[in-house]
Parts: sequence; C-alpha cells; structure tokens
Amino acid sequence: EDQVTQSPEALRLQEGESSSLNCSYTVSGLRGLFWYRQDPGKGPEFLFTLYSAGEEKEKERLKATLTKKESFLHITAPKPEDSATYLCAVHSLDNYGQNFVFGPGTRLSVLP
Amino acid sequence: DAGVTQSPTHLIKTRGQHVTLRCSPISGHKSVSWYQQVLGQGPQFIFQYYEKEERGRGNFPDRFSARQFPNYSSELNVNALLLGDSALYLCASSFRDSRVKETQYFGPGTRLLVL
Repeated sequence: EDQVTQSPEALRLQEGESSSLNCSYTVSGLRGLFWYRQDPGKGPEFLFTLYSAGEEKEKERLKATLTKKESFLHITAPKPEDSATYLCAVHSLDNYGQNFVFGPGTRLSVLP
Repeated sequence: DAGVTQSPTHLIKTRGQHVTLRCSPISGHKSVSWYQQVLGQGPQFIFQYYEKEERGRGNFPDRFSARQFPNYSSELNVNALLLGDSALYLCASSFRDSRVKETQYFGPGTRLLVL
C-alpha cells in the first residue's frame, strides 16, 4: 500500500530562518511526486512536480529535491507570507488504476 | 484564464440525504479527479476520470460515485450521507491522462457539512 509521511507536523520559524520539510514515501512504481501549498479553507496550490531521483526544482525561496525514498522542500530566508500548510503527494499505478496519495502536511508559521 | 471551478462553495445536508457536487476543469484539461479532505488531514483520493471513463478509484464506499460529461466537467455524488462525510471536497484537473506525466491543479473546494 502506498504511504506518504511528512515531518515535522508543525514548524515555527523566524523570518529569514531557513529550514527544510521532509516527505518520506513508500510506493510501487512512482510516476511523480508533487508539492503543494495550502492556505486555510482553500484548495492546494501547485508548487513542484519531481519525477526521478536526483531531480531538483526551484521557485523563489523554495527548492524541492527528490531521492528514491524521500523528498525535501527547502525554504531559504522565509517571509511571513510563506506561512501555510505544505502538502506532499505521490502518483502511482495500482490494481485500480491511477492512485494519488497525499501526506498529512506540515504547518509552517513564519514569524516577523 | 479561469482555473478549476467548483459549485456550490458551501453546503449543509442532513444524515441520509444525497448530495451532488460539480466541477469545471481548466480549459483544455480533459482529466478530473476528486478528493475528500477532512480538517487537519491531507486530501484523500476518491476518483479520477479521463474522457468520461474512470481511470482510478480510492478506498471509498459505493455511496460515492462520479461521472464526467462530454465537455469534461464532472459531478461527484454521495448517497446516504453520514456525519463522517463532512469535509472539504476538492476537484483537480490535468491536461490529459496521467499515464503521461501530468500535474493536477486544484479548485477552491466545496465545504460539506452533514448534520
């Protein structure tokens, strides 16, 4: 069974204090790993897609990396507007067809 | 360009009732997926449809069903509502079948409360 875990569950940073969020996954036949940002009461906002181990992608203060067992979302010099829940998801094929599994998310708070 | 749209935004139902949620994908997108997100948890995959055919199904009871129309919009139906069905229901669209690597873009969701 495909599984995704995320750590830490919650993270409080001071503005400018860099850190990393972890996403660990167990999946048969990874077709893609996704990072999303979600603000309270809203739908997830797409950030990155990673397809193979060793791949890296960057966008502003965010950088996502992928290994065979986990992915990291690095946040450099965060600002208060980066406060949100960050979700990791994996896409695979199982006996029922397409399958998408999300982790529980990491709640990030960036204090001014 | 409009993103994924969902209706209604909020809905209150009582136990045992039926509900229909609607989703319009991004223009040009042919695949629609449905998710249930309970407060404090990540979204759970319910269905994926592409070209009106079901292409994926999560671990949900048969009370949940969906369909996709020729214009690629979609409906999610839930029968015999339970209190535990209270959640944010999210729709996501992607350009084409996810057998080809594709990214899903989410709508704002429909907040369902079952009393």
